[in-house]
Amino acid sequence: AQKVTQAQTEISVVEKEDVTLDCVYETRDTTYYLFWYKQPPSGELVFLIRRNSFDEQNEISGRYSWNFQKSTSSFNFTITASQVVDSAVYFCALRGTGGYQKVTFGIGTKLQVIP
Amino acid sequence: DTGVSQNPRHKITKRGQNVTFRCDPISEHNRLYWYRQTLGQGPEFLTYFQNEAQLEKSRLLSDRFSAERPKGSFSTLEIQRTEQGDSAMYLCASSLALGGNTEAFFGQGTRLTVV
Repeated sequence: AQKVTQAQTEISVVEKEDVTLDCVYETRDTTYYLFWYKQPPSGELVFLIRRNSFDEQNEISGRYSWNFQKSTSSFNFTITASQVVDSAVYFCALRGTGGYQKVTFGIGTKLQVIP
Repeated sequence: DTGVSQNPRHKITKRGQNVTFRCDPISEHNRLYWYRQTLGQGPEFLTYFQNEAQLEKSRLLSDRFSAERPKGSFSTLEIQRTEQGDSAMYLCASSLALGGNTEAFFGQGTRLTVV
């Protein structure tokens, strides 16, 4: 069974603050993929990043960075110098390998960036 | 626009009626997925196609739900005898399998309201 836990349901920060969104996952697969998606008010899920389980290197993309720690089954997402346009719901997701393609999503973290 | 397209964007129907949604994936993407998202929750996997073959179905997909992808391109999701509990956002996604797993790109969804 797969499970993704996003313990923070809502976060509010003031513009230019840094914010970290937590994600903890459970899976029995030895190889798996982790994702982060952004869902703005328009509703479309926007892909942000995919991380393979065998690649624990952290990644930075502009103001976004991701910290993958297999030892704690966490895949946290940090936004540096947050902006109002970052306001959205962010989903962490997990997909195993093998014969199935089901992606399991967390409940999402609603981020509000206050000007 | 070469993204995933879903129609209609919104659908209001009376309980007991049948509804059909359409998804046009990104051109040449051979995998297509349907998800359901209720308010305040993450997307839940419904079903998945590789080309025209439906390879996986969730237990969430009751016998009132049927999905097709007849020519391996667009897909339809039909709900028969709709119930109020079917009210949700129905999301379609597509991906390209090239001997491995790739990220899925989502459409903007069809919001169904059953009254």
